[in-house]
Parts: sequence; C-alpha cells; structure tokens
Amino acid sequence: GNSVTQMEGPVTLSEEAFLTINCTYTATGYPSLFWYVQYPGEGLQLLLKATKADDKGSNKGFEATYRKETTSFHLEKGSVQVSDSAVYFCALSERGGSQGNLIFGKGTKLSVKP
Amino acid sequence: KAGVTQTPRYLIKTRGQQVTLSCSPISGHRSVSWYQQTPGQGLQFLFEYFSETQRNKGNFPGRFSGRQFSNSRSEMNVSTLELGDSALYLCASSFNPGQASSGYTFGSGTRLTVV
Repeated sequence: GNSVTQMEGPVTLSEEAFLTINCTYTATGYPSLFWYVQYPGEGLQLLLKATKADDKGSNKGFEATYRKETTSFHLEKGSVQVSDSAVYFCALSERGGSQGNLIFGKGTKLSVKP
Repeated sequence: KAGVTQTPRYLIKTRGQQVTLSCSPISGHRSVSWYQQTPGQGLQFLFEYFSETQRNKGNFPGRFSGRQFSNSRSEMNVSTLELGDSALYLCASSFNPGQASSGYTFGSGTRLTVV
C-alpha cells in the first residue's frame, strides 16, 4: 500500500541555519505530494504541494521538489527563523483516484533556537 | 471567511462512555474528512463524507462512526470509549470529495482524553 517515510526528529537548528527534512514515499500511480505544518495547539496548515514529477512547490521560503526517480519530496529552507518551530508532515494523495484521502508521515519536530 | 470550526476544543470522557464531535466546514465546502492524530500512530484517516453519504472509510473499528447533515456540517461519534481513543481528532473540508490534491483546510481539532 501507499506510505510516507520522513526523517525522525526532533531537529534543532540555530536561527538562519539551512533546513532539510527528508521525505520518501511508496505509491502506486502518480500521487500528489504535500507538506503540512502544525504549530503548537493548532491544526494542520498546508505549506506547499506538488502534483506531478519535477514540480517544485514553494511557500514562505520553503521549497520541495517532486522527484519521481528517487520517490522523494524533501523539504528545504535556506534560513530558518524561530517562528518556523513546528511539526512538519509529509503526505501523499493518489491523484485521479476515487480515494482522495491523505496518507501522512510520522512528522518531524523542528525547534529553532535564537 | 470563517475557517473549519471544530467543537468542543477539549473533552474528557470515561472509559465505556460515548462521545460526539462536531465539525463545520468552510462555507461552500461540501466534503468533510476526519483524521485521528496520536503520538504512536500519527495521523490516520477515519472517513470522508459528501452529500450526507460516507464516501470513504479508513481502517477503524465500527465504534467509530460519523454522519453529515444537509448543511454539510459533520459529526463523528465514538462509542464504548477506550483509553487508546485518546487523541486529537482533526476535521478537514474541501469543495468536493477526493480533492486532497487541491489541499484540504483543517480545523484546530478536538482533543479527546479518555480516563
């Protein structure tokens, strides 16, 4: 079945450091890929998405590229801020299928120190 | 516009009781999905409703059920609560079903604690 694997945290960085959170997936067909972010005490917010191979999703300085050959969708940011401290979830959804539910990774907690 | 509203935000119940959680989607959204979030299992899909019909269901026991009303508001019910049902229950809405590729909008969740 479909699944998502992302690097375990927690990840602790200093402000302005470079961030990479690895995410790989297993899926039949051609899924859409997402990164969601969850701030403390809140629900999930869509951070970025990519719907086909080689697409790059970007938002708020975060980027991720849909790599079909390596089945990966790694999240990157060039310079993190304290306000980026949150839990990040990689997710997939089968595109074009009748079942549009999301399959999530376990989440990676990011802490950014000033 | 108002986001996805989930009520209540927090709930404490005793084992064996039942509980009902409510979700009001964004105005105009007709599909509602429910997810359970626990530290051990992470985020897991419960079910999806559209036009008052359950369209898709995850791998949860029959104690978990839901429904959707004509105004698209949805409720989920858990009967005979177990300690393991303690979780954050998240609701997400979209215009139409199967639109995860467009990105759902999630509510802030209901934190259920079973004691």
